[in-house]
Amino acid sequence: KAGVTQTPRYLIKTRGQQVTLSCSPISGHRSVSWYQQTPGQGLQFLFEYFSETQRNKGNFPGRFSGRQFSNSRSEMNVSTLELGDSALYLCASSDRATNEKLFFGSGTQLSVL
Amino acid sequence: AQKITQTQPGMFVQEKEAVTLDCTYDTSDPSYGLFWYKQPSSGEMIFLIYQGSYDQQNATEGRYSLNFQKARKSANLVISASQLGDSAMYFCAMREENLIFGKGTKLSVKP
Repeated sequence: KAGVTQTPRYLIKTRGQQVTLSCSPISGHRSVSWYQQTPGQGLQFLFEYFSETQRNKGNFPGRFSGRQFSNSRSEMNVSTLELGDSALYLCASSDRATNEKLFFGSGTQLSVL
Repeated sequence: AQKITQTQPGMFVQEKEAVTLDCTYDTSDPSYGLFWYKQPSSGEMIFLIYQGSYDQQNATEGRYSLNFQKARKSANLVISASQLGDSAMYFCAMREENLIFGKGTKLSVKP
């Protein structure tokens, strides 16, 4: 079974631009959640989607948004990028119906210049 | 207040020895899950072990075991027979509505 796939692996943007990150969950998993990891703040929860609906949202500004498609693939968008948005963005999938274990992808390393 | 506390920023262990990574948590929810993840320098978060709050037995997965002491709100990870490939960051996490991570412990295995 293929794992969680995140694309792209690396991304370089400039301030003010917007970016879209993609995540394909493990086949059969309907829950996708996103996390931001920085050296200063550690790992922080962004949001979770289940069956195309946002279930939870972390404490991030409205510039951070996401969505989930009918095939459970998810995208995360960050608009008007700021230097502080430079981070590793991790996506995780789980089968909420049967267990709580989250499986992560390799992440997208975003650098904002 | 921190919900997940990992008090060891870094640890060293000799190859083939066992090591315990500490984790304490704080929650008033009777239903929760506890996780340990490994993050090598490549960045991927690798699931190691899971313990549900209602599980009676301590979780084990190969060389990993979780020493779950509910009354003390403690969920320490024990790695037996350490290998050089175990060198990585280790994160303890708790799931209430979403996953809350500790700051991590950097484990270095010495040959």
